Amino acid sequence: NAGVTQTPKFQVLKTGQSMTLQCAQDMNHEYMSWYRQDPGMGLRLIHYSVGAGITDQGEVPNGYNVSRSTTEDFPLRLLSAAPSQTSVYFCASSLQGYYGYTFGSGTRLTVV
Amino acid sequence: AQTVTQSQPEMSVQEAETVTLSCTYDTSESDYYLFWYKQPPSRQMILVIRQEAYKQQNATENRFSVNFQKAAKSFSLKISDSQLGDAAMYFCAYRRGAYNTDKLIFGTGTRLQVFP
Repeated sequence: NAGVTQTPKFQVLKTGQSMTLQCAQDMNHEYMSWYRQDPGMGLRLIHYSVGAGITDQGEVPNGYNVSRSTTEDFPLRLLSAAPSQTSVYFCASSLQGYYGYTFGSGTRLTVV
Repeated sequence: AQTVTQSQPEMSVQEAETVTLSCTYDTSESDYYLFWYKQPPSRQMILVIRQEAYKQQNATENRFSVNFQKAAKSFSLKISDSQLGDAAMYFCAYRRGAYNTDKLIFGTGTRLQVFP
């Protein structure tokens, strides 16, 4: 049982490049979400999904896209990377949100 | 909008002693859930404890317990018999009870140091 798997663990991008952060879970969880963690600011919600085909914006969605074509996968796309997107990104999943969330191990992204 | 406040950026405790981390939140909802997450240096987010707002009884998990004061909107975490492995960032988080949303709102965290 792998839980929530995020790839890559580290990434350096140049300003303007695009990339996709991958997130997969094998627990048949309906709910999946993406957070970014910046020093002194805790975790902030970027986008979330309550099921395949359903996504919605969180607190800081600008510059990011998501889609949910399967229950297992919830990729996060950076359209045109900016230095302000330098952060640690976490994917999380939950069977139903009130049971608590399982987090991936995070991706440290640096945009230069 | 809901907010979560952790007013203690850093706390320290001696091994085997007890420490309490504070968390307050602001909401107009009556149905919600509260969580404490631990983030050790490995960066992994680990669920420590959860509390349903409709339950008056405080949640406990081994050495971890909460003091949930719904009227005061306070949700503090007590760690008893502190161990070196408890050293980490601790985040308080809030979630509405609605089914069709999945917004977990975090506080800014408290860094806990444990001294031998």
